[in-house]
Amino acid sequence: QSALTQPRSVSGSPGQSVTISCTGTSSDVGGYNYVSWFQQHPGKAPKLIIYDVSKRPSGVPDRFSGSKSGNTASLTISGLQAEDEADYYCCSYGGSYTLVFGGGTKLTVL
Amino acid sequence: QVQLQESGPGLVKPSETLSLTCAVSGYSISSAYYWGWIRQPPGKGLEWIGNIYHSGSTYYNPSLKSRVTMSVDTSKNQFSLKLSSVTAADTAVYYCARLGYYDVLTGYYPGGIDYWGQGTLVTVSS
Repeated sequence: QSALTQPRSVSGSPGQSVTISCTGTSSDVGGYNYVSWFQQHPGKAPKLIIYDVSKRPSGVPDRFSGSKSGNTASLTISGLQAEDEADYYCCSYGGSYTLVFGGGTKLTVL
Repeated sequence: QVQLQESGPGLVKPSETLSLTCAVSGYSISSAYYWGWIRQPPGKGLEWIGNIYHSGSTYYNPSLKSRVTMSVDTSKNQFSLKLSSVTAADTAVYYCARLGYYDVLTGYYPGGIDYWGQGTLVTVSS
């Protein structure tokens, strides 16, 4: 069970869009439509922003969207805002009740 | 409103056992949901430790399985984590969370981890 692969960092200017990738294998990301994404601000617990690849929990702005193609999932944040600056983690079901996380991506809003 | 609160020693000596408890309020731990632990070493990413169901069924990260024990106390609406033979590599913020649920028709549904505790830092040091 290896960690999912995410870029260490991404950046964008206010109003722009950024996409964060999350690459796994056919045993996790590619095998199930159970990819979720979390936003984590410094010193805080992670917050669920996407589940089941593309669903948004109540209260999460529609600027956040998720998708998947093969073994790679993606999180797109459109209309970047200063408060979006945070760490982002993907997570996939790995079968047999297991979960695997990505290494995390630091988003900088320029 | 579902709330989770971790408790336990913040400092554990190497080779000893780390013990944490997660108290759940606003929701019955005896429901169809699974509960579990996730940790985050300082400055690093998240790592799933394991899940437990109110029946006592447990599922652990294979990399930690030999050292992890989880238990549940439905009378107190809480669940616990024990990690044995700790080293400095086990220093982390430990989060308890609600993870997925069991549907009688479709089986286990991982869903999203929608409720988290605030996290507790456990340092392994002599």
